[in-house]
Amino acid sequence: GQQLNQSPQSMFIQEGEDVSMNCTSSSIFNTWLWYKQDPGEGPVLLIALYKAGELTSNGRLTAQFGITRKDSFLNISASIPSDVGIYFCAGQPGGYQKVTFGIGTKLQVIP
Amino acid sequence: DTGVSQDPRHKITKRGQNVTFRCDPISEHNRLYWYRQTLGQGPEFLTYFQNEAQLEKSRLLSDRFSAERPKGSFSTLEIQRTEQGDSAMYLCASSSAGGTEAFFGQGTRLTVV
Repeated sequence: GQQLNQSPQSMFIQEGEDVSMNCTSSSIFNTWLWYKQDPGEGPVLLIALYKAGELTSNGRLTAQFGITRKDSFLNISASIPSDVGIYFCAGQPGGYQKVTFGIGTKLQVIP
Repeated sequence: DTGVSQDPRHKITKRGQNVTFRCDPISEHNRLYWYRQTLGQGPEFLTYFQNEAQLEKSRLLSDRFSAERPKGSFSTLEIQRTEQGDSAMYLCASSSAGGTEAFFGQGTRLTVV
């Protein structure tokens, strides 16, 4: 089955710094999704990407759909304490809607 | 609120007991998904419905697990003869037929003791 490798698995950053995390897949996806999950809650959708090469922003978040369709990255600019959480990449292959998730990147922001 | 709703939020049960969880999707979303998440892992797909039809089941869904969506609206996930390894967060999500964005509920945290 599809495998998603997400890195880094955890990171500590200073408030105000930019953050970058990425995700690679063993197979092609037609949609890439980025979610954030707080402890004890369900994942919340941050950004959805639908086309290879697409670059999409949502406030301080920017995500890109890799040209090969096997990777994606998420950038967070000027991090703030409420950015703390676990960020998951997720992909959907063409033809059906099962979403496969990465293992997550745990982000901690030091004030 | 029109988000995905799951009930209960938490469930503690003794090994061997049966449990049932409920999910109410976003209104008019005809696709509904169940995922399981263990500590330190991403959500793992269990099954999904389009309307009342269960279209795909993961191999993770053993014969002790059964999911239904009888009227194409809410769904239930039942686990029979629970085992300690069933302890996890069970997440429900929904999407529209043409949409690829799945919206998640807050999950049901199951602890089997």
